[in-house]
Amino acid sequence: DVKVTQSSRYLVKRTGEKVFLECVQDMDHENMFWYRQDPGLGLRLIYFSYDVKMKEKGDIPEGYSVSREKKERFSLILESASTNQTSMYLCASSRLGAGKQETQYFGPGTRLLVL
Amino acid sequence: QKEVEQDPGPLSVPEGAIVSLNCTYSNSAFQYFMWYRQYSRKGPELLMYTYSSGNKEDGRFTAQVDKSSKYISLFIRDSQPSDSATYLCAMSAASGAGSYQLTFGKGTKLSVIP
Repeated sequence: DVKVTQSSRYLVKRTGEKVFLECVQDMDHENMFWYRQDPGLGLRLIYFSYDVKMKEKGDIPEGYSVSREKKERFSLILESASTNQTSMYLCASSRLGAGKQETQYFGPGTRLLVL
Repeated sequence: QKEVEQDPGPLSVPEGAIVSLNCTYSNSAFQYFMWYRQYSRKGPELLMYTYSSGNKEDGRFTAQVDKSSKYISLFIRDSQPSDSATYLCAMSAASGAGSYQLTFGKGTKLSVIP
């Protein structure tokens, strides 16, 4: 059974704190993604990675950075948390498609509240 | 015009009803179409995956793609209270390197009332 896990389900942080969100997948997938989900805005891609140490900006990378030192692990970093980063953060992974779209498998999400 | 449009609902139906959920899109290069189901406070899970035009059936669920109209649908027959969730459509053009990204609709919240 495919599995994507995220380090925390709920997180409360203060403005200005550095925040680390971790994601681990056990499917040996090449691709990993970080999204945020907000009411009325849907899922928005922050960053994705198609290989170890490789990263690409998504639609809303400002205020975020990522790290992928191992194939199974993809971290999202909020260098200095702000209240507008309060959101649900979702990690996903997929295989490297050979010319076709591969299914993305999602983790359970982390609800982050920045006070 | 947004790339993918999806009515956010909420949609409320009685148990046993047939549910129709829809998305329209503008990018004619899209050829892979997915429906995800997301229960409250959980991550999305893949429900249906179709390639190009046509229908695909899986139990009570049928996914339909009409590329000429740029319109996709998900039908749920004999809806159950356990179908209450938010349904997200997703699609991509996917061909070759770099084609990893999915474009999502904003989701339709469905409630099936016993």
